[in-house]
Amino acid sequence: QKEVEQDPGPLSVPEGAIVSLNCTYSNSAFQYFMWYRQYSRKGPELLMYTYSSGNKEDGRFTAQVDKSSKYISLFIRDSQPSDSATYLCAMRALTGGGNKLTFGTGTQLKVEL
Amino acid sequence: DVKVTQSSRYLVKRTGEKVFLECVQDMDHENMFWYRQDPGLGLRLIYFSYDVKMKEKGDIPEGYSVSREKKERFSLILESASTNQTSMYLCASSFWVRGGTGELFFGEGSRLTVL
Repeated sequence: QKEVEQDPGPLSVPEGAIVSLNCTYSNSAFQYFMWYRQYSRKGPELLMYTYSSGNKEDGRFTAQVDKSSKYISLFIRDSQPSDSATYLCAMRALTGGGNKLTFGTGTQLKVEL
Repeated sequence: DVKVTQSSRYLVKRTGEKVFLECVQDMDHENMFWYRQDPGLGLRLIYFSYDVKMKEKGDIPEGYSVSREKKERFSLILESASTNQTSMYLCASSFWVRGGTGELFFGEGSRLTVL
């Protein structure tokens, strides 16, 4: 079983929809949770970064962490065609782990006009 | 702007050839990483380095080696390329922060095809 599970999609939604992207994980030591966005033929770039449990909002994006369920989510409100990309969750422990992030496989999102 | 530059965007090599992938970052980051990205498998860490001349194995180091002679440069070497090393290779760098890795900054990737 992988440490981080993420539905690969593809997920296709109409413009303006609310999108929910999710990851589950098994390592209870994970404390930092990130979402990266990767456009086609580009490297990933950091979108949101949260520590421990709770919510974080940035414009149309909201990241949620539920450590009791080992479940994280990224919500995109009023989705736009420019949001079409692959979204990767990533996480790491507070200490140790050799400076490594553990990534999900990524969910491919397409927002259609 | 942070910039991580990978020397080659697209390479085609033959089985058994030695392959060098070069990565340079301009932000004085301590950490540098090499990942490969494959459909359905996501990003998998090959090697990383937290200082000059230091290296640590990631999750899939077999068939690869690395070199970090200068802080800004991290090279990935395939000693004898094989077809199962056909993949997208991504270099990344970050500052070291308490407990480990800060935000990763990625290059645009090098797509390697081994025939």
